[in-house]
Amino acid sequence: GNSVTQMEGPVTLSEEAFLTINCTYTATGYPSLFWYVQYPGEGLQLLLKATKADDKGSNKGFEATYRKETTSFHLEKGSVQVSDSAVYFCALTGGSTLGRLYFGRGTQLTVWP
Amino acid sequence: EAGVTQSPTHLIKTRGQQATLRCSPISGHTSVYWYQQALGLGLQFLLWYDEGEERNRGNFPPRFSGRQFPNYSSELNVNALELEDSALYLCASSGGRGQPQHFGDGTRLSIL
Repeated sequence: GNSVTQMEGPVTLSEEAFLTINCTYTATGYPSLFWYVQYPGEGLQLLLKATKADDKGSNKGFEATYRKETTSFHLEKGSVQVSDSAVYFCALTGGSTLGRLYFGRGTQLTVWP
Repeated sequence: EAGVTQSPTHLIKTRGQQATLRCSPISGHTSVYWYQQALGLGLQFLLWYDEGEERNRGNFPPRFSGRQFPNYSSELNVNALELEDSALYLCASSGGRGQPQHFGDGTRLSIL
């Protein structure tokens, strides 16, 4: 079946620190992969995406590379800011998922000044 | 361009009542998805509508139902409300299978 396993949080970092949030997946077929971010009291915002192996998605300094050989899509940012504090979700769709997104459990990131 | 809009923002009901949540997709999007985000349970897929038809359904009881209108807007109905239905209900829309889903800010449903 389809599933996403995401690094458990919470993650607490100082401003300008390096961020990695691990995400691995199980899927049939060739899924598209996404990272979404949820700020307090809001819905989910699409952060970045990758639709095929070796694609790199990037946005707002965040990056993630679709690694088919390791079934991974780890999120990275070189220098986090206080404004990056939010919950981050890894997700997949496509293949045999019948339209729906499969989400990881989310990782709470808190960045201190 | 307007994003996905959901109404109401908050809804307070009592056990046994019925709730109706509404969603308007991004213009040009024909697919609408509903998800439940309950505390401690993560994001759970509820329903997928495309071109007015229900295409897929998550593992929820039949008292969760919905529909999609000709203008692609959608309603989620929850009958016989239970305390555990308290959650944030998120609607998303997309332009097709495999395309990114774009989310609204959700309806917070509280059951007293």
